[in-house]
Amino acid sequence: AQKVTQAQTEISVVEKEDVTLDCVYETRDTTYYLFWYKQPPSGELVFLIRRNSFDEQNEISGRYSWNFQKSTSSFNFTITASQVVDSAVYFCALSENTNAGKSTFGDGTTLTVKP
Amino acid sequence: DTAVSQTPKYLVTQMGNDKSIKCEQNLGHDTMYWYKQDSKKFLKIMFSYNNKELIINETVPNRFSPKSPDKAHLNLHINSLELGDSAVYFCASSQALTDTQYFGPGTRLTVL
Repeated sequence: AQKVTQAQTEISVVEKEDVTLDCVYETRDTTYYLFWYKQPPSGELVFLIRRNSFDEQNEISGRYSWNFQKSTSSFNFTITASQVVDSAVYFCALSENTNAGKSTFGDGTTLTVKP
Repeated sequence: DTAVSQTPKYLVTQMGNDKSIKCEQNLGHDTMYWYKQDSKKFLKIMFSYNNKELIINETVPNRFSPKSPDKAHLNLHINSLELGDSAVYFCASSQALTDTQYFGPGTRLTVL
């Protein structure tokens, strides 16, 4: 059965600090997809990244970067030089190929960036 | 030009009532979903539809009945509302079942 664990319930940092949000997943599939979504205080869910299981290349997008490691079943998300606007709940999600249509979300990590 | 829209945004109702939430997407996607987000922010899938067919029904009570009149719409009807149904309900769509999902703004349902 697919499972996503975000062990950090809440993280608080001061502006300009770097912060890493952890995501560990479980799956028996060899083909699967991992996602990160952001939910700011306004409530909408914003897509950040999608990664398939065959692509372990790390990705950088501005201040955001993602580290995918199949050996440890992790897909961690780092924000460099955090800003107050980064304050949000961040969700990691998994979608298996054999169980397509059933995405499993982690419980979310609430990030608070203080000025 | 909203990609995924839901109506209403807020819904306040009494226990025992029946209510519906509508969802429309203009992205041309084949797959649509309903999620429930509880007060602790946990996000759980309820239903997935692909080309108007039900693919996933995650042990949701029979009081919840989704209906997809066409690929662009997925409505959620809830009978005999209970206090525990209070939550934010999100609709989403994707091109295919494992593709990126794009979410609507959510409908906050409060059952009194």
